[in-house]
Amino acid sequence: DTGVSQNPRHKITKRGQNVTFRCDPISEHNRLYWYRQTLGQGPEFLTYFQNEAQLEKSRLLSDRFSAERPKGSFSTLEIQRTEQGDSAMYLCASSRGTVLYGYTFGSGTRLTVV
Amino acid sequence: AQTVTQSQPEMSVQEAETVTLSCTYDTSESDYYLFWYKQPPSRQMILVIRQEAYKQQNATENRFSVNFQKAAKSFSLKISDSQLGDAAMYFCAPSPYSGAGSYQLTFGKGTKLSVIP
Repeated sequence: DTGVSQNPRHKITKRGQNVTFRCDPISEHNRLYWYRQTLGQGPEFLTYFQNEAQLEKSRLLSDRFSAERPKGSFSTLEIQRTEQGDSAMYLCASSRGTVLYGYTFGSGTRLTVV
Repeated sequence: AQTVTQSQPEMSVQEAETVTLSCTYDTSESDYYLFWYKQPPSRQMILVIRQEAYKQQNATENRFSVNFQKAAKSFSLKISDSQLGDAAMYFCAPSPYSGAGSYQLTFGKGTKLSVIP
């Protein structure tokens, strides 16, 4: 169990640029989640994959956001035409089957849009 | 939709003492899980304890225990014998249980716990 890995750890980008984050979940975990956490707030759900299928998306996920999980392994979250309001910590988590045992979270990618 | 209220933005406790963090939630789901997560500064979110809503017995995990009051929709966390390493943000998070659902977590705003040596 090597944990959930997220890259990069930090990203600074200019407004209007596109950014992509990567998440490598625990290998035997079929469920993968993306959350966004802004300063002073708890994480907010963005989207969920079961294997390679994206089964649920939050209304927070505007058209500028897209997520993929090809082959049910790693996942990418892309933000197009970034805005200052996109500045946040983006957290990835994975779980195996039932969520009874909770998720395993990654360390997150901190995005700063200047 | 679920909402979670953690009414204590900050708490402090003396080392070795006991502290209770409060959480209330609102959900229309009949079956759900409840979790407390800990987020140390600049570190990843860690599961502290979980409770299945259909179980009346309160969950215990070493120094951590919960007081689950289903009718009141209250789920408080008690930390006994507090240690310096307990200092962190603590988040309460219910998750609806549905065989076909996403089991997404709804987090409160968190309680920042400081431990005083």
